Amino acid sequence: GAVVSQHPSRVICKSGTSVKIECRSLDFQATTMFWYRQFPKQSLMLMATSNEGSKATYEQGVEKDKFLINHASLTLSTLTVTSAHPEDSSFYICSARDPEQGSFEKLFFGSGTQLSVL
Amino acid sequence: QKEVEQNSGPLSVPEGAIASLNCTYSDRVSQSFFWYRQYSGKSPELIMSIYSNGDKEDGRFTAQLNKASQYVSLLIRDSQPSDSATYLCAVNNPSGGSYIPTFGRGTSLIVHP
Repeated sequence: GAVVSQHPSRVICKSGTSVKIECRSLDFQATTMFWYRQFPKQSLMLMATSNEGSKATYEQGVEKDKFLINHASLTLSTLTVTSAHPEDSSFYICSARDPEQGSFEKLFFGSGTQLSVL
Repeated sequence: QKEVEQNSGPLSVPEGAIASLNCTYSDRVSQSFFWYRQYSGKSPELIMSIYSNGDKEDGRFTAQLNKASQYVSLLIRDSQPSDSATYLCAVNNPSGGSYIPTFGRGTSLIVHP
């Protein structure tokens, strides 16, 4: 099946710094990728939909200037958490669909990034 | 607002029993439904997908969908301790020509020996 690679798996940073998370589709081209955030014992909350070659679509309540998304190629989307604060500490997961399998089909998830802001 | 509701549990069942996980959704135009399993600290993995009313079986797993009641369930037969995880119900809703997945908060399943 399709593989989505996410890096880094874990990052610890100081408050006020920026962190970049990469999400790559390894064996397929993803025109759309989804970025989720998950707090402990909570559901996956969709933050934004990343569209190749155009601006991301952010969900209500998600600050686009704080969570910068770049989808510059068909295989790479990045999420940058700018000026991170302890409340941004969370598990961030990217996902993508393989367009060859149609829009009904399942999401392929990256392995997730556990962000801890001190 | 599109919502997917699940009982957070934990649901505790003995090894070998049937575990029944339930999910309701609010948007009647939802097209496709998924169950994901998520171990602690890991990303979700797909268990089952179902698109039409009725039952769909895959090994020890059976997904059931009732669109009239806006209800989808997952049955796990012969539950094993390795099935202990959080099970996420996800619903695809049409949006701008594509489908946006919405997740429930998940049900924690504990299978005890």
